[in-house]
Amino acid sequence: DADVTQTPRNRITKTGKRIMLECSQTKGHDRMYWYRQDPGLGLRLIYYSFDVKDINKGEISDGYSVSRQAQAKFSLSLESAIPNQTALYFCATSDLGLEGADEQFFGPGTRLTVL
Amino acid sequence: EDKVVQSPLSLVVHEGDTVTLNCSYEVTNFRSLLWYKQEKKAPTFLFMLTSSGIEKKSGRLSSILDKKELFSILNITATQTGDSAIYLCAGRGSSNTGKLIFGQGTTLQVKP
Repeated sequence: DADVTQTPRNRITKTGKRIMLECSQTKGHDRMYWYRQDPGLGLRLIYYSFDVKDINKGEISDGYSVSRQAQAKFSLSLESAIPNQTALYFCATSDLGLEGADEQFFGPGTRLTVL
Repeated sequence: EDKVVQSPLSLVVHEGDTVTLNCSYEVTNFRSLLWYKQEKKAPTFLFMLTSSGIEKKSGRLSSILDKKELFSILNITATQTGDSAIYLCAGRGSSNTGKLIFGQGTTLQVKP
């Protein structure tokens, strides 16, 4: 079974709709991240969380919100989707950042299209 | 502002060729540089580099870090079509956030 799962894997929606993307992990990691990927721009951080009480904005948080429902679950919401939010979205997890534990583990991604 | 820049952005080679991918970084209180390979969807981890001049190697892939000149290279020898992917590098600072700063990625296409 995959350690980091995302649902849905693909979603097409219309401008103005509210969308929630969900991420679950079985790795037992405290840290979770949401990224979006656009062609030629690499991965850009939207939000990250260290635990259920800790939420932090990344470099492109406008238009997005998140919820950390449990250690294993981190959801990303688009309150009113717009076409330029069409992208590939990744959830990732990492350990506490101890020496040698910088690697992040990625989910399979959600391809979101906003019409 | 922290940034990571990769070059070239895309590359087309033939099987058997050797390629070198470049990654330069400006990361506050730099701690490590990571390389990922992204084939169809999720990036998968290749290497993490923390010390200058020490080569990390896995099969035909190898990578090295130069902390003085602030760059890293990823070498792939005897390329195969299965090496076709986007290669991402990311820098991490020593702050407790664990955040990675990703470059734009290099898209490598290996033709038969």
